[in-house]
Amino acid sequence: GAGVSQSPSNKVTEKGKDVELRCDPISGHTALYWYRQSLGQGLEFLIYFQGNSAPDKSGLPSDRFSAERTGGSVSTLTIQRTQQEDSAVYLCASTIRLAGDHEQFFGPGTRLTVL
Amino acid sequence: KQEVTQIPAALSVPEGENLVLNCSFTDSAIYNLQWFRQDPGKGLTSLLLIQSSQREQTSGRLNASLDKSSGRSTLYIAASQPGDSATYLCAVPGNTGKLIFGQGTTLQVKP
Repeated sequence: GAGVSQSPSNKVTEKGKDVELRCDPISGHTALYWYRQSLGQGLEFLIYFQGNSAPDKSGLPSDRFSAERTGGSVSTLTIQRTQQEDSAVYLCASTIRLAGDHEQFFGPGTRLTVL
Repeated sequence: KQEVTQIPAALSVPEGENLVLNCSFTDSAIYNLQWFRQDPGKGLTSLLLIQSSQREQTSGRLNASLDKSSGRSTLYIAASQPGDSATYLCAVPGNTGKLIFGQGTTLQVKP
């Protein structure tokens, strides 16, 4: 079936505005991860969902960042009052999370630019 | 705390050469190790996943090995082609399965 999809592919916003980033995981994948890739920073974990619950939010950089997942499928990452340091590529990944099979599949990412 | 390191950071080779990319990790208690490819401006494409009980995995011209006890993995690319030019990332899962990535090796294969 289809892979992980993300929208929008690119987002340019002004400092102080709120943005929403969307992730559609592979159908049937129970686990969903958000990562951020900043220039010169590498890939950093943000938050993990198992079903609709988020047992690990340890990577969210500030309380301006939040995420939710509904119906065990689509997830939305919201950044409030965006700052220039939020500029990055936001990547979503999903995995089936059965024993012995934890391969993560990534979406194409959303490139966020905060002016 | 698990840390993942990749060397070299960049590599430029002529077409046809065989090459090896290195990945090391500090905590050998890993569940698996995954190699990815990232083209400029794109997401990550999974290349190979090696379970902790495996020593190596092969896919076409790619061969990945895993030595848990020494905390090392290598990605071997045979007969490199210009289309192999990309950034290669290795990652291991931490608690809750979140991936911990190396900084990547940027490969350029010159025609």
